[in-house]
Parts: sequence; structure tokens; C-alpha cells
Amino acid sequence: EAQVTQNPRYLITVTGKKLTVTCSQNMNHEYMSWYRQDPGLGLRQIYYSMNVEVTDKGDVPEGYKVSRKEKRNFPLILESPSPNQTSLYFCATRTSGALRAFFGQGTRLTVV
Amino acid sequence: GEDVEQSLFLSVREGDSSVINCTYTDSSSTYLYWYKQEPGAGLQLLTYIFSNMDMKQDQRLTVLLNKKDKHLSLRIADTQTGDSAIYFCAEGGDSGYALNFGKGTSLLVTP
Repeated sequence: EAQVTQNPRYLITVTGKKLTVTCSQNMNHEYMSWYRQDPGLGLRQIYYSMNVEVTDKGDVPEGYKVSRKEKRNFPLILESPSPNQTSLYFCATRTSGALRAFFGQGTRLTVV
Repeated sequence: GEDVEQSLFLSVREGDSSVINCTYTDSSSTYLYWYKQEPGAGLQLLTYIFSNMDMKQDQRLTVLLNKKDKHLSLRIADTQTGDSAIYFCAEGGDSGYALNFGKGTSLLVTP
């Protein structure tokens, strides 16, 4: 079964405490990306990766890092989270030439 | 990214038709998509249309594309309470992988 798995699904943390949200896919897709969803702002792309060791900034990359050491994993790293990073985060994957992007179930992050 | 605009809310009665509208600015968009997000869930692809098409029908869903006006609509016939969700319009180019999303339209279906 095609899956995009994010962990954790819910996280409450404190300002400045480093955290990582993991994303794993079992479809051998080249392209992976992270979005954040905020009320009234829709989905905004944070970072994306075209393949292993290839990453690039999306529209709102400030305060985030990513890595793509393996094709299946694309973790999102918040080195020093701040309250304005409280949001719902989605990982998405897509393969070359495909029309459809697959989304994870989302990670709801609260930074206090 | 380029702008994709949608109205934020729509309320319809069960059994009526729903029409969700979207406008976009990127004339190089190759594909236009409708995604559905149910409460607490990720986004699921509902349907898509290639930019050289005017219309696509898939069971209760009809997508209309006016490329000249850069206007996309999604019509849901015989709307059911299970159709209550947020609907996102998105556009994507042929060479890139990124999808540019609208802010989403919350559809509320009342009995």
C-alpha cells in the first residue's frame, strides 16, 4: 500500500528546543516536499528535494532545515523552534512524470 | 509562488450542487488540480485537468477550465454531508514538481 508516514502526528514543545519531524515514503518517489498549513494562508511550501542529496528552498524556508540522505526519508528539522512555527505540517511525495502528489497525514506542532 | 485565489467558505444544502471557484495567474500551468482535505486528515487528490482541456467529468464531479480567464471551477452534483471538507485548488507546471496551492474553500453541507 502506498504510504507517506509522518511522525509524530502531534507535538507540543517549548521555544528553542530542537525537534525533528520525520517523513518516510515507500513508493520510491524522487520528489519530496514539506508544506505548512495555516488558517487563511493555505499551504505554503517550506523545502523540497528533487532526489537524494538535492534540496532547495520553497516559499517559507526561514527557521527550517531538511536533509535527504536516503530516497525514502525527508526529515524536517527545527533547530530553534519559535511560536510562529506553530502550524500543521504536511510532507508530500511525487514521482517523475506523475500527476498526483501523495500527502502524509500531517503533524500538528505547537510551540509555546 | 504565483497566486491562486479561492473564496474561503461555501455553504450548501444536502442534495444541491456546489460550485467552488478558483483563479490563478501562472499562464504556464500545465495541470490544475482539486484536492480535498477532510478534518484531521491529509490532502487527497480529487481530480485534475490538463491545461488544454475545457471540461472533465468524473461521476459527481465536473471540472471546468477557462484558460483565457485563468478560471477553474469544481462542481459537485447532489452534494452530500460527507462532502463537507476543505477543497484546495492547485496548479503545477510540466517541468517542475512543485504545486502552488490556493488557500482552500471550506465547504459546509447542511441537512
